[in-house]
Parts: sequence; C-alpha cells; structure tokens
Amino acid sequence: DGGITQSPKYLFRKEGQNVTLSCEQNLNHDAMYWYRQDPGQGLRLIYYSQIVNDFQKGDIAEGYSVSREKKESFPLTVTSAQKNPTAFYLCASRTGQGNANQPQHFGDGTRLSIL
Amino acid sequence: EDKVVQSPLSLVVHEGDTVTLNCSYEVTNFRSLLWYKQEKKAPTFLFMLTSSGIEKKSGRLSSILDKKELSSILNITATQTGDSAIYLCAAYNFGNEKLTFGTGTRLTIIP
Repeated sequence: DGGITQSPKYLFRKEGQNVTLSCEQNLNHDAMYWYRQDPGQGLRLIYYSQIVNDFQKGDIAEGYSVSREKKESFPLTVTSAQKNPTAFYLCASRTGQGNANQPQHFGDGTRLSIL
Repeated sequence: EDKVVQSPLSLVVHEGDTVTLNCSYEVTNFRSLLWYKQEKKAPTFLFMLTSSGIEKKSGRLSSILDKKELSSILNITATQTGDSAIYLCAAYNFGNEKLTFGTGTRLTIIP
C-alpha cells in the first residue's frame, strides 16, 4: 500500500541529545514537509523540501535540521538547541512541484517527549 | 505573514445536530483552501476549494469558499459520534508553496 511512514511512534530525548525522526513515503511525491503540533495549536511548519537535495526553512526552523538525499526520505533531527522539543511531529508529502491542486497527505506522527 | 483563524475553538453538540465550522484567511498569493479531519493521529484530507461559491460535498459534509469575504465554512449535517475530531483549515500560498494552518476546531458529539 502506498503511504507515508513515520518512525518511531514515540520518542524520548535526554538533555543535550540530538534525536532523528524518520519519514519515508512510497507515493513518488516530490514535496515533503515537517510540522510541529502543540496542544491547542495548529500545525506549524518546520522545514520543507520541493525536490531532492533542496530544502527551505519554515516558520519555526530554529533547533531543527533536515536532509533530502533521496526522494522518498526526509528525516528531521531535533538538536539540543531546541529547548522545548516536546510535541507531536507530523510529516506530509504532496505530488508535483508547483502543483497547487493536490493536497498534502500526512503520516501518523511521532510523539516526542523529554526525559 | 499569512494567517488562518478558525472559530469556534471548541464545539459540543448532540448527535443528529447540524454544525457549521468557520475559517477565515489572510494569505498572499492565495490559491486554495483545505479542510482536514484529525482524530488521534494523522490529519485526513476532506476538501480542497479553489473557486468561490462552488460547494464541495461528501456525504453529510460540505464546504464552500467565499473569496470576497476571505472565508470558508464546513457544514456537517446529522452529526454522529464518529464525527468527533479536530477539524483543521489551511490556506495555500502559491508564491512560497506553503500551507498555513489554523488552530483547529475541536468538535465533540454527545450520543
């Protein structure tokens, strides 16, 4: 089945530790996105990538890093510089660069907590 | 800065009632408005609206866009407990290809 797979479902981070959240899609989508969702808030964009080997900062990129070495993969690293990482992280993808008539589709998310 | 505002933030109704959720947007290079339903995990796509005044319908759910008023509504008729969820509205900026989300409306249906 085609879809977006995020792993792990739950992740705990210790002080000073970097952690990496995985996002893989087999939909052959060009664009991929990372969002953060906090209780009572909507989704806020962290980073996005329209094509392989290229990505842009979203609205809350500080303390995060990404890579896009393969079309199907867009991992997100939460660095120790991110002082409040506890949140629900959602990965999304969409077909067609510049194609505004296709919606983003989401993975099931990773819930990150601080130990 | 692009902005999307949803109202109400929370709504509790009885099964069988009809509800209307509101979304307003201020987005440069606006192209489309999207509605998603989020239960426990991934938001699932409901509607994408690009043309003003044309209603999109799927079963008991329907939505319409008003480009003059920069707003959209999502209607749910004959609500069921399975409609309980957070409903997210998002507006697409074609210039930077970013989707801006509202804070969502938490809908609770009481049996």
